[in-house]
Amino acid sequence: GENVEQHPSTLSVQEGDSAVIKCTYSDSASNYFPWYKQELGKGPQLIIDIRSNVGEKKDQRIAVTLNKTAKHFSLHITETQPEDSAVYFCAASSSGSARQLTFGSGTQLTVLP
Amino acid sequence: NAGVTQTPKFQVLKTGQSMTLQCAQDMNHNSMYWYRQDPGMGLRLIYYSASEGTTDKGEVPNGYNVSRLNKREFSLRLESAAPSQTSVYFCASSGSSSLQGGTYNEQFFGPGTRLTVL
Repeated sequence: GENVEQHPSTLSVQEGDSAVIKCTYSDSASNYFPWYKQELGKGPQLIIDIRSNVGEKKDQRIAVTLNKTAKHFSLHITETQPEDSAVYFCAASSSGSARQLTFGSGTQLTVLP
Repeated sequence: NAGVTQTPKFQVLKTGQSMTLQCAQDMNHNSMYWYRQDPGMGLRLIYYSASEGTTDKGEVPNGYNVSRLNKREFSLRLESAAPSQTSVYFCASSGSSSLQGGTYNEQFFGPGTRLTVL
């Protein structure tokens, strides 16, 4: 089955700096890669996703890049703000009837004011 | 539109007790999922239901059973709780979207149930 590894497990940045979180996956059939943000005491919330037919996607201060050859994808947050502090999860999925997501272990991002 | 709702929010059980976690979604999604979240381990899939009337095991199904009661509701049952089942449980639902011939998965999560087994 799919295996997703996520690094780093914790990340601290100064407000205004950029943050990068990286994930690798093992199943070359995976073609959908979402990123979730989880605030304390809440469920994960989708913030951005990318399909395998594109290499990069951007939404305001958030961007995701995908390298299918190397089987890795990354989340980039620019101009970080204190409200970006949360746990971020990457995930991978292949199309088909099951459509299961396999999650990385999470990154605790802290933005220092 | 409440999205995905879960009850209860918190529960404390003694070893050997049973309980059912309830989940409902109002987005007319076909697929529903149960995950558990443990520190440092991300979310692990317990069971899922690709469509009404079907259920399948995920990565960590032992000690759990599920029921897809109808399209809206998907429950998770612990028949004989064990301390190893202390965790935060999340329900999710998914509606598929198609783009350029592919079918993709966008999952929406509930607020979670924090379960402690003593």
